[in-house]
Amino acid sequence: GAVVSQHPSWVICKSGTSVKIECRSLDFQATTMFWYRQFPKQSLMLMATSNEGSKATYEQGVEKDKFLINHASLTLSTLTVTSAHPEDSSFYICSAKVPNRANSLGAFFGQGTRLTVV
Amino acid sequence: DAKTTQPTSMDCAEGRAANLPCNHSTISGNEYVYWYRQIHSQGPQYIIHGLKNNETNEMASLIITEDRKSSTLILPHATLRDTAVYYCIVRVSSSGGSNYKLTFGKGTLLTVNP
Repeated sequence: GAVVSQHPSWVICKSGTSVKIECRSLDFQATTMFWYRQFPKQSLMLMATSNEGSKATYEQGVEKDKFLINHASLTLSTLTVTSAHPEDSSFYICSAKVPNRANSLGAFFGQGTRLTVV
Repeated sequence: DAKTTQPTSMDCAEGRAANLPCNHSTISGNEYVYWYRQIHSQGPQYIIHGLKNNETNEMASLIITEDRKSSTLILPHATLRDTAVYYCIVRVSSSGGSNYKLTFGKGTLLTVNP
């Protein structure tokens, strides 16, 4: 099956700094990737849709200047949390769909990145 | 996408079948039923999906009622590693484009006990 890899798996940063999270499709090209955030004991919340070669589409309430998304290639999307604060501490997950494939395989998710801002 | 309702939690004995229900009474004719699961601190994993016929794969079986207003995910022989949150999602099928975002509800926490 298709593999989506996130890096890093976990990161601790100081308040006010920026953190970059990478999402890679290892054996397929993904024109579209999705970024989710999950707080403890809560469900996944979609933050934005990342489109290769164009601007990301953000969900309502998500600050696009704080959560910068870059999808410069067909296998890599990055999420940068700028000026991180403790309330940004969360589990960030990306997903990608194999293009031109029927829905039989669904979407593939990365393993997630645990961000802790201290 | 149609809203789904799942029990908050369920328990199952190891080796027994786990039957996870999902209500989707407002599902429309072109919406599929998808099941994902999320083991603690990992990304979600696709399990199975269906439109109106029952489906089976190496992981599970999906039983959809004739009126499509509810479905049941069956793990035939649950193991301790099946302990996870199981999400039932209904959405319109899309084989391409950017409309493949998934809306997750709260899911069912299945605990498999030894």
